[in-house]
Amino acid sequence: NAGVTQTPKFRVLKTGQSMTLLCAQDMNHEYMYWYRQDPGMGLRLIHYSVGEGTTAKGEVPDGYNVSRLKKQNFLLGLESAAPSQTSVYFCASIYHNTGELFFGEGSRLTVL
Amino acid sequence: AQSVTQPDIHITVSEGASLELRCNYSYGATPYLFWYVQSPGQGLQLLLKYFSGDTLVQGIKGFEAEFKRSQSSFNLRKPSVHWSDAAEYFCAFMTTDSWGKFQFGAGTQVVVTP
Repeated sequence: NAGVTQTPKFRVLKTGQSMTLLCAQDMNHEYMYWYRQDPGMGLRLIHYSVGEGTTAKGEVPDGYNVSRLKKQNFLLGLESAAPSQTSVYFCASIYHNTGELFFGEGSRLTVL
Repeated sequence: AQSVTQPDIHITVSEGASLELRCNYSYGATPYLFWYVQSPGQGLQLLLKYFSGDTLVQGIKGFEAEFKRSQSSFNLRKPSVHWSDAAEYFCAFMTTDSWGKFQFGAGTQVVVTP
């Protein structure tokens, strides 16, 4: 049982490049999330999804897009990367009535 | 506005000493409260959660937390810390009217000295 898996783990981009982070969970969870973690700011919610085919904006959605075409996958896209998007990105999921978030190990993105 | 605050950015504690991490929230009713731990280079792991009932909650790794409605607090405690408890700790909450939308505190970095 792999839990929540994020790929890639590390990536370096140049300003203006695009990329996609993939999150996969094998726990049949309804809700999935993308957070970014920056020093001294805790985790901030970028986008989330309450089910297949649905997405919603979180606290800091600008510059990101997401898709949830399959229940087990939640993709985070950066269309034109900016240095301000240098961060560690975490994917998480919960089963809707337990309240426990399960996290991936994170993806460290550097934008030069 | 709904928010969660961890007043201490950094705490240093000696191995074997007790530890208390503070968490305060701002919300008009009782929220769902959580403590997570993050070891270096890892994702976050749930230590414990409070939904309702007994205000003293036991978690994994010997941690406990107490919900105090009058103080809008959910402080995390451990009677005797081990070197492996060095990590960053996050308080989080969620409300009934925004189920599934967690708010995290900024985190408290715990350093354990010999």
